[in-house]
Parts: sequence; structure tokens; C-alpha cells
Amino acid sequence: LAKTTQPISMDSYEGQEVNITCSHNNIATNDYITWYQQFPSQGPRFIIQGYKTKVTNEVASLFIPADRKSSTLSLPRVSLSDTAVYYCLVGDTRGTGRRALTFGSGTRLQVQP
Amino acid sequence: DTGVSQDPRHKITKRGQNVTFRCDPISEHNRLYWYRQTLGQGPEFLTYFQNEAQLEKSRLLSDRFSAERPKGSFSTLEIQRTEQGDSAMYLCASSFEPTGGNSPLHFGNGTRLTVT
Repeated sequence: LAKTTQPISMDSYEGQEVNITCSHNNIATNDYITWYQQFPSQGPRFIIQGYKTKVTNEVASLFIPADRKSSTLSLPRVSLSDTAVYYCLVGDTRGTGRRALTFGSGTRLQVQP
Repeated sequence: DTGVSQDPRHKITKRGQNVTFRCDPISEHNRLYWYRQTLGQGPEFLTYFQNEAQLEKSRLLSDRFSAERPKGSFSTLEIQRTEQGDSAMYLCASSFEPTGGNSPLHFGNGTRLTVT
């Protein structure tokens, strides 16, 4: 499984755009990149997933360069409620191969008023 | 979609006792995962099922741990002879895995185990 590297923590202020970058140098051809958000005492919650270029949904954007060795989660205009831990996962869950997803330590985002 | 349900939410037990946790996945999901999470760490994979078949077990899963998904619906995770090091949040997730694409995991809110 591809190992991921993220910053341990980030600070921001309400209304700012936050970009969290994840490095995954040994990503495999079939791997997807998925980001999850986790609040204290809750399970992780899916945010966004992509394979290449750019993906956007109602809460975030995901930018993936052509070499796919990194990805950037972009949260527009964060609010206090975006304070959470964000995890980047890389893997391929298709088929029945031994490719269960592995979480790293995540990035703790603290949003200040 | 009622989400993934885990029971109980909290469990306090004495060292040496056995405990069992239950997970009810989203009804149409064919995959079910168990993870363990300790404070300040990301979730660690324990095992997963596709329907009733247990397809992968982590080396973290000692022989004191056993998981079942007898009819391909709910799952149970049992820990025998609990140790203080077993204290953690146990998370269950489910997904539907068709032949193409990657389906995201849907997590429950976990069972917090405290071994005294």
C-alpha cells in the first residue's frame, strides 16, 4: 500500500481557504486518493475522492497533479466547525485483493475565530 | 440510509473478561471493516469481510480477537481475556464494492472500550 505523508497540524482563521497537501510517492497505477474528516468521538466521514486532475463537490476540492505523487485537499472559507482531523488515504479497494485501506496519523486542522 | 450502527457505544470491563461488540452496516453494503483507534492516532485496520467471507486479517489481530459476519449482514467482534492495551475505540465501516471504481467507507461512531 502506498504510504502517505501529511502535515501533523495546521492553523487557520474563519473565512480563509485551507489547503492540506498529502505526499504519496509510491502510488500505484490503480490507486485512488480519498480524504476523510474526523471529529472527536465520531467515526471518519468521507469528504472527497479522486484519481487524477481535479474533483470538486459541495464541501471541498481535490487537486491531483499529473504525476499523482501528491494531492491537495482544498477547503474554501473554513468555519469553526471545520476544526477536525483530516486523513489522506491511497489505495485500490476493487476486487477481493488484499488492499484494505490504511490510515496515517492525519492532519489536525484548528480553525480560530 | 440509517448509517452504520455500533453497539454498545461505551464498554468498561475488567482485565481478563471477554467482550463482544456488534456492528450493523448500511443494508445494501457487501463489505464490512473493523478498525481500532487509540488517542491521537489514525484508525488501524483489523479485518474486513466481503459478504460473509473474512478476506483479510491484520497482524494486529491476535488470536484473542475474532470477528464474524455469519449471514453477510451484521458483524460481531469479540475480544477474549481483555488486556489494558486493548483499550481503544473500535470502529466499524461498510461499503458497497462493485466491479469498478472505489466506494468510500461509511463509518459508525465506534465502541469505546476501557479495560481496567
